[in-house]
Amino acid sequence: AQKVTQAQTEISVVEKEDVTLDCVYETRDTTYYLFWYKQPPSGELVFLIRRNSFDEQNEISGRYSWNFQKSTSSFNFTITASQVVDSAVYFCALRNFGNEKLTFGTGTRLTIIP
Amino acid sequence: NAGVTQTPKFQVLKTGQSMTLQCAQDMNHEYMSWYRQDPGMGLRLIHYSVGAGITDQGEVPNGYNVSRSTTEDFPLRLLSAAPSQTSVYFCASSYDSNQPQHFGDGTRLSIL
Repeated sequence: AQKVTQAQTEISVVEKEDVTLDCVYETRDTTYYLFWYKQPPSGELVFLIRRNSFDEQNEISGRYSWNFQKSTSSFNFTITASQVVDSAVYFCALRNFGNEKLTFGTGTRLTIIP
Repeated sequence: NAGVTQTPKFQVLKTGQSMTLQCAQDMNHEYMSWYRQDPGMGLRLIHYSVGAGITDQGEVPNGYNVSRSTTEDFPLRLLSAAPSQTSVYFCASSYDSNQPQHFGDGTRLSIL
């Protein structure tokens, strides 16, 4: 079984503030992949990052960073110096290795206030 | 490079009607899948395929059929539409199931 929880339904921050989106996952497998996707107001789904369970190194890409902690089963996403263009729904997802099914969380709607 | 193409973008059906949502990809991806997105529920997997001739059920398969006769196409069929199937439907593809998926733009379906 696999489950992804995004407890923050909606977050609003003022532009230039930092914001962290939480993702907690459940799985019995030791090998799995975690993903983040962005869905802007236009509706398409955009891939942001994939991380496998063997790699706990944090990753930074510009203003985006991801903190993967197996000890707490979390894969949190931080946006530094937020911008209005970051306003979107963000989804965390999990796939166990060898399982063809991708399980999404319910998403966090992020609104950046100018 | 078109990526994943879904048609139609919008559709309104009456209860009991049938229709097929089309999905095509031009990236030679083996893995294709269909999701539905409902408010507060994220994306839920309906059906998926790991290659031509192979399909399997996802989390919410009832009321939907799929087939995969070619690598490129993965249509989703609603046999007898019900109001509970009102949703936004996304098709996705990837090289294999462990790779990031490329999503189509979605089909917004309303069942009256």
